[in-house]
Amino acid sequence: AQKITQTQPGMFVQEKEAVTLDCTYDTSDPSYGLFWYKQPSSGEMIFLIYQGSYDQQNATEGRYSLNFQKARKSANLVISASQLGDSAMYFCAMREWEYGNKLVFGAGTILRVKS
Amino acid sequence: EAQVTQNPRYLITVTGKKLTVTCSQNMNHEYMSWYRQDPGLGLRQIYYSMNVEVTDKGDVPEGYKVSRKEKRNFPLILESPSPNQTSLYFCASNNKGLSGNEQFFGPGTRLTVL
Repeated sequence: AQKITQTQPGMFVQEKEAVTLDCTYDTSDPSYGLFWYKQPSSGEMIFLIYQGSYDQQNATEGRYSLNFQKARKSANLVISASQLGDSAMYFCAMREWEYGNKLVFGAGTILRVKS
Repeated sequence: EAQVTQNPRYLITVTGKKLTVTCSQNMNHEYMSWYRQDPGLGLRQIYYSMNVEVTDKGDVPEGYKVSRKEKRNFPLILESPSPNQTSLYFCASNNKGLSGNEQFFGPGTRLTVL
């Protein structure tokens, strides 16, 4: 079974609107962390936001928030007030405590922001 | 500045010609990893190291070698590259624990094997 599933290969959003990128995960480890990365066309991996499995509140970082629904095993990324510079590939990833050295990635979602 | 560096950033080579991609981190991290990125597959771990002289296979290790003689360096070696190793490669480092801001990626190396 896929450990990280991103079901949206591509998304469009109008500038200044909010967008949600979906991510579901599968693990039996009670201790894990969930990450979102942005990859612009230049190729580098930019860390956006992190959610620990024991965190009580949803993580937020500026315009980024993570909608963490533990029972449903989902960790959706919400980008508010989209900007043209948000156009990029977005990856959801998970690290389990048992495999502290490894991130498991989803296939990614390409986001295009329209003006 | 805390960073992971990789060299070269771009490389075009031919089948069978041995090559090495270097990776270095300046954060004294114990864990280092190599990933490859392919369209539709995200990033997949090739090899990892949990400390000096301690390395192990990740999910896609075939055709690759690594070494960890010093804590800061973790080179990726392709002894006999083949076209299916054309990919974007990332080196990463982190300490123990799950905190997000401890995971660092290098800038990536785009490799083309003809």
